[in-house]
Amino acid sequence: DGGITQSPKYLFRKEGQNVTLSCEQNLNHDAMYWYRQDPGQGLRLIYYSQIVNDFQKGDIAEGYSVSREKKESFPLTVTSAQKNPTAFYLCASGLTGELFFGEGSRLTVL
Amino acid sequence: AQRVTQPEKLLSVFKGAPVELKCNYSYSGSPELFWYVQYSRQRLQLLLRHISRESIKGFTADLNKGETSFHLKKPFAQEEDSAMYYCALSRLTDSWGKLQFGAGTQVVVTP
Repeated sequence: DGGITQSPKYLFRKEGQNVTLSCEQNLNHDAMYWYRQDPGQGLRLIYYSQIVNDFQKGDIAEGYSVSREKKESFPLTVTSAQKNPTAFYLCASGLTGELFFGEGSRLTVL
Repeated sequence: AQRVTQPEKLLSVFKGAPVELKCNYSYSGSPELFWYVQYSRQRLQLLLRHISRESIKGFTADLNKGETSFHLKKPFAQEEDSAMYYCALSRLTDSWGKLQFGAGTQVVVTP
């Protein structure tokens, strides 16, 4: 099954813990993105990477970190510094003009 | 900073009736505009983009730079059009995947 694979689908975290969300793609896309989706707010860009070993902050990067060591992988770490981490997280990759999204990961902080 | 506004959170229409989803944007440069759709239990996916000027699943959208709008229209709604629709903007001077999304409009088509 080709495309974007995110894991886990559901994740629970205690306050103060870091968690890492996985995003893998087999579409051979250079660019990858992390968006956060909150009810009534649409999607907001957290981080993006246009090429391996390079990434840039999006609009709401505070409290998050990423790495891009391989073209296929773009993991997102939600750190304890993120004030309101409970949300739905979407990973995407794409060519010019179209983004392909994963199924998302729902993070709940207990 | 650019902004995308979708004024309707929920749009309920009858099957066969026309449907129009409003999208307004604020951006001083040349934008690229998209409509993304999420059907129930499916991934978010591209519906159409203004630069392609195509009709997808009967939907069209025209970029009106004077009114800074990119409304999505379909003359006859079908039940399978029920979904969440997002309007999104990309600055041509930026990484095109850096999209600014609207809050979304939930469309419900009733028989």
